[in-house]
Amino acid sequence: SQQGEEDPQALSIQEGENATMNCSYKTSINNLQWYRQNSGRGLVHLILIRSNEREKHSGRLRVTLDTSKKSSSLLITASRAADTASYFCATPSGAGSYQLTFGKGTKLSVIP
Amino acid sequence: EAGVTQFPSHSVIEKGQTVTLRCDPISGHDNLYWYRRVMGKEIKFLLHFVKESKQDESGMPNNRFLAERTGGTYSTLKVQPAELEDSGVYFCASSQVGAQVGEQYFGPGTRLTVT
Repeated sequence: SQQGEEDPQALSIQEGENATMNCSYKTSINNLQWYRQNSGRGLVHLILIRSNEREKHSGRLRVTLDTSKKSSSLLITASRAADTASYFCATPSGAGSYQLTFGKGTKLSVIP
Repeated sequence: EAGVTQFPSHSVIEKGQTVTLRCDPISGHDNLYWYRRVMGKEIKFLLHFVKESKQDESGMPNNRFLAERTGGTYSTLKVQPAELEDSGVYFCASSQVGAQVGEQYFGPGTRLTVT
């Protein structure tokens, strides 16, 4: 089964607009994370939201988690060209597991 | 504080050859992980070390892959012999013991191309 599937697969917006990416997962989780990968670079941890949290903010990022729907969303407000990257959600694979399961990601392009 | 480093950044080898990838975790991080992303697919877990011990190697695709972490510091991932389907980006990550699951710090990856 596939954990952490993001949609859309690709998103193109104008600088200054907001970008929303969604993630769905299949099994129970104790937390969910979002990562960013700039072209040719490593994965950067953006934010972690625990299963007992519904919303979390970090700068221009806002993450929501709906455990009843097994879904999460990442909102980037006032996007900048530097936000152009691929965004992945990831979940631990099981209780006590350190193994992260990633989705295929959303490729965000912010046009100046 | 230096981040996770990986070497080389890019490797191009022929099918049947051997390649060794290296990962240096953040100093003091006992947990070390290998992941890989093959073209168009998800980032997949390969294995997890705690210090020098393999905690979970359930993601290793087959016995052509050998990971080591002698001394509990840096780790190597050897592919021998390499096959075309091994092409992809290999990521290493590290975390502190007791860290919230998911707070893993990733390196820039090694892009492996097998021709």
